This record gives sequence, C-alpha cells and structure tokens, in this order.
Amino acid sequence: SQKIEQNSEALNIQEGKTATLTCNYTNYSPAYLQWYRQDPGRGPVFLLLIRENEKEKRKERLKVTFDTTLKQSLFHITASQPADSATYLCARTKAAGNKLTFGGGTRVLVKP
Amino acid sequence: SAVISQKPSRDICQRGTSLTIQCQVDSQVTMMFWYRQQPGQSLTLIATANQGSEATYESGFVIDKFPISRPNLTFSTLTVSNMSPEDSSIYLCSVEDQGRRYGYTFGSGTRLTVV
Repeated sequence: SQKIEQNSEALNIQEGKTATLTCNYTNYSPAYLQWYRQDPGRGPVFLLLIRENEKEKRKERLKVTFDTTLKQSLFHITASQPADSATYLCARTKAAGNKLTFGGGTRVLVKP
Repeated sequence: SAVISQKPSRDICQRGTSLTIQCQVDSQVTMMFWYRQQPGQSLTLIATANQGSEATYESGFVIDKFPISRPNLTFSTLTVSNMSPEDSSIYLCSVEDQGRRYGYTFGSGTRLTVV
C-alpha cells in the first residue's frame, strides 16, 4: 500500500531563513501531491498542489518541488515568519476527487 | 472556494453513548470525506460518503461503529456509536474544492472526549 512519510521531528528555524520540509512516498507515483497547513484546534488548510508531471510550483513565499525519481516532494517556506509556525501536512491523491492519504506532518517553529 | 460548517465543535460524552456530527457545505459536492485525527497524530480517512449510495469505509472502520448519512449533495452526518475512551479524537469532514483546483477544504473539526 502507498505510504507517505514526513520528518516527524519538529523544525526550529530562525525568522527570515528558509524552512525546507520533506515528503517521501513509496510504491506508485501519486497523481497529485498536496501540502496543507494545520494550526492547533483547526482543520487543515490547503496551500499548494503539484502534479506528477510538474517539477515545481510556487505561491508567494511557498515553493513545492516533485521528484518522481527520488519519490520525494520538498516544501520550502522562504523568508519565514513567526506566523508560519504550524504543522505542515503532505498528502497524495491518485486522481482528482479521490481520497487523500496524509503523511504524519512536520511541526515548524519560527523563532523571532 | 467551498465553505463547510461542522458541528458540534466539541463535546464530552459518556462511554456507551453515541454522537452525531454534522457537516453542511455551501455548494453541491459529489463526495464528502470523513477523517479522524487522534491526539498528536495525522489524519486517517474513515469513509467516503456519496449521495445516493452506501458510504465506502477504509480498512479498520465499520459501518456499525461509524454510520454515515448523505441525504443530499450539501450535507452529511457521521455518528460515533457505542463510544469508548479510545474514540476520543478530532473528527473532520472534507470536500474537494474545485475553486482551489483540486485542493480540499476541511471543516473546523469536532473535538470528542469520551469519559
């Protein structure tokens, strides 16, 4: 079965630096890899989606890459701010409209 | 983008009782998804609810424990039956949001504590 793995250790980073999070998957290549932000006590909020035939996507200070050879997606937060502190979840779907399978999430703490 | 109203936001229940969670979407959607998030864990899919047919349950989840209704294209309920303390979790509903180009929108969650 498909597994989605994220670094379970929290990422502590200084304000202004770039945070880089890793999402690795096993078996078949997902059609879509998605990244979500979750704050305590709230539901996940969609950030970015990247398709299996895409290498990179950007949205403001966020960047996602997808390497099907390494079976890995990287999520970058550039010029990080304390307000970026949250848990970031990677998820995959096989096709549009299909269920999401989530990784364990990585907690990010940006220190001023 | 879709907006989901989920309630209750939290509840404390006695073991052996049942709780029904409701999700209302402001647009018509084909599928609604129900997730469980245990303390300190990520999200696990419980079932997919299609309007007009039986819900599809993931391995480890059964209809008798988590019955789901989907009476129309904007509404669904999840019932947690015969609760035990192990059912203490956050329960979330979700829909695919065409407005976000295949991202998914989540409800705010129901924090359930079973005592």
